[in-house]
Amino acid sequence: GENVEQHPSTLSVQEGDSAVIKCTYSDSASNYFPWYKQELGKGPQLIIDIRSNVGEKKDQRIAVTLNKTAKHFSLHITETQPEDSAVYFCAARETQGAQKLVFGQGTRLTINP
Amino acid sequence: DAGVIQSPRHEVTEMGQEVTLRCKPISGHNSLFWYRQTMMRGLELLIYFNNNVPIDDSGMPEDRFSAKMPNASFSTLKIQPSEPRDSAVYFCASSPRRRLAAWAGYEQYFGPGTRLTVT
Repeated sequence: GENVEQHPSTLSVQEGDSAVIKCTYSDSASNYFPWYKQELGKGPQLIIDIRSNVGEKKDQRIAVTLNKTAKHFSLHITETQPEDSAVYFCAARETQGAQKLVFGQGTRLTINP
Repeated sequence: DAGVIQSPRHEVTEMGQEVTLRCKPISGHNSLFWYRQTMMRGLELLIYFNNNVPIDDSGMPEDRFSAKMPNASFSTLKIQPSEPRDSAVYFCASSPRRRLAAWAGYEQYFGPGTRLTVT
């Protein structure tokens, strides 16, 4: 089955700087890669996703890149703000499991004012 | 749209008691997922339904756990008997109907979760 590794586990950046979180996956047939943001006491919230037919997708200050050859994808947050502080999860669709998503272990992002 | 609704938000119970968690998916969504989140194991898929039918329950820890989806707008996750190691946050998520494009319809929307504490 699919296996997703996420790095780093914690990340601390100064407000206004950029943050990058990276994930690798094992199943070369995976074709859907979402990113979720989880704030304290809340459920994961889908913030951006990318399909395998594109290499990059951007939505305001967040962007995701996908390298199918290397089987890795990354989340980029520019001009970070205090409200970006949260735990971020990457995921990959498990092709053998129809709609199953396999999640990374999460990255705790802290934005320092 | 109200989003995925879960109840209760918090549950504290004693070991051996039966616990029932409830979920109402987003209207029009046809897939429903139950997850468990702990510090040690992260976010684990327990079971998921498609059109009210259980598709994959390989993540259900043991026979003490059971899930049902009697109709498109309601699902339950039951633990009987509960044990302290079941303490976790349980999330329900729903996903829209698959569309013709091969990669469409996989996005999942999570509820606020139920924090379960078994003493």
